[in-house]
Amino acid sequence: AQSVTQPDIHITVSEGASLELRCNYSYGATPYLFWYVQSPGQGLQLLLKYFSGDTLVQGIKGFEAEFKRSQSSFNLRKPSVHWSDAAEYFCAVGADDYKLSFGAGTTVTVRA
Amino acid sequence: NAGVTQTPKFRILKIGQSMTLQCTQDMNHNYMYWYRQDPGMGLKLIYYSVGAGITDKGEVPNGYNVSRSTTEDFPLRLELAAPSQTSVYFCASSRGPSGSANEQFFGPGTRLTVL
Repeated sequence: AQSVTQPDIHITVSEGASLELRCNYSYGATPYLFWYVQSPGQGLQLLLKYFSGDTLVQGIKGFEAEFKRSQSSFNLRKPSVHWSDAAEYFCAVGADDYKLSFGAGTTVTVRA
Repeated sequence: NAGVTQTPKFRILKIGQSMTLQCTQDMNHNYMYWYRQDPGMGLKLIYYSVGAGITDKGEVPNGYNVSRSTTEDFPLRLELAAPSQTSVYFCASSRGPSGSANEQFFGPGTRLTVL
């Protein structure tokens, strides 16, 4: 069965600084990988997904993620963080059929 | 196009009470899901459905029941509420299975407290 690990529970970053959120997955074949963002009191919104092709994926809100098979990773990045990026971020892996397995999430705090 | 809607937004239950969380989607998606979200635990799948009349258990189904009589609706029933069911519940839907790179669309959630 697939699983996802997000090693960082909480990250604090200054506005305008770069951000990188780590995600490691466990799955025997090529997985389908997703990053979702959850703003306070809201549901989850898809930022980007990877399922094949170019390993660098562009998403909404200026985010990108890179799939590295050798490291079983799918890290999310943003070059310059805005205060509105303060949220919780979830990495998820889809495999086998219907199921998405989510990581525990990383909370991002943006300081002025 | 409202997407996935959930009612109620908030609810407080007493131990032993029952309630139904409503979920409706207007995207004609076949797949629908119920998750619970607990702090530091991510989302855990409770039940899912691959079409009207077809439901199956996820990771944490105990204490819950579902039905899927129409494509649009996927209610979650809590019988005999317990404090362990205090959580935020999310309904989601997708066009096809997530193992085929289909995005899941989420509702805004229901925050449930059992006292």
